[in-house]
Amino acid sequence: AQSVAQPEDQVNVAEGNPLTVKCTYSVSGNPYLFWYVQYPNRGLQFLLKYITGDNLVKGSYGFEAEFNKSQTSFHLKKPSALVSDSALYFCAVRGLYGNNRLAFGKGNQVVVIP
Amino acid sequence: DAGVTQSPTHLIKTRGQHVTLRCSPISGHKSVSWYQQVLGQGPQFIFQYYEKEERGRGNFPDRFSARQFPNYSSELNVNALLLGDSALYLCASSLANLAGVDEQFFGPGTRLTVL
Repeated sequence: AQSVAQPEDQVNVAEGNPLTVKCTYSVSGNPYLFWYVQYPNRGLQFLLKYITGDNLVKGSYGFEAEFNKSQTSFHLKKPSALVSDSALYFCAVRGLYGNNRLAFGKGNQVVVIP
Repeated sequence: DAGVTQSPTHLIKTRGQHVTLRCSPISGHKSVSWYQQVLGQGPQFIFQYYEKEERGRGNFPDRFSARQFPNYSSELNVNALLLGDSALYLCASSLANLAGVDEQFFGPGTRLTVL
């Protein structure tokens, strides 16, 4: 079974500082990894995905994520956080075979302090 | 381009009733998935449909059912509602089924409250 762990409930960061949201995963075989963001009373918006290739993936709104196979991690990063980045962030994984079911983590609330 | 649309936006039901939620995927997307998001948790997979056939089912009771229509829109039905069914129900569409690894695009969700 595939699963994701997001160990922190909330991440507080000052505006302009680097932002990191942590994610570790468990899946049989090679993983397909995703990050989504959710604003209040909204659905999930896709940020980026890792399928294969370069371990550093660049996505929307200046976000990037680093895939580390040995540590089974896929941490989301942004060099300089904006107040508008305050939202709920979800990491998700799906396996290589079968349907496209995504297993989500519990989410991390990011608060960017002006 | 229109994104994934869901209706209704909000719904209030009482225990024991049934509910039907609707989803229209992005034009050209043939795969629709349903997720349940309980407050404070990540979305949980309920169903995936592709080309009108069920391709996957999550760990949900038989009270939950779904179908996909020829135009690729989808309905999620929940019978005999329980208080614990109160959640945000999300629909997601994507191009690929098994062969591809396209990202899923989510609708705004239907907020179901069971009293």
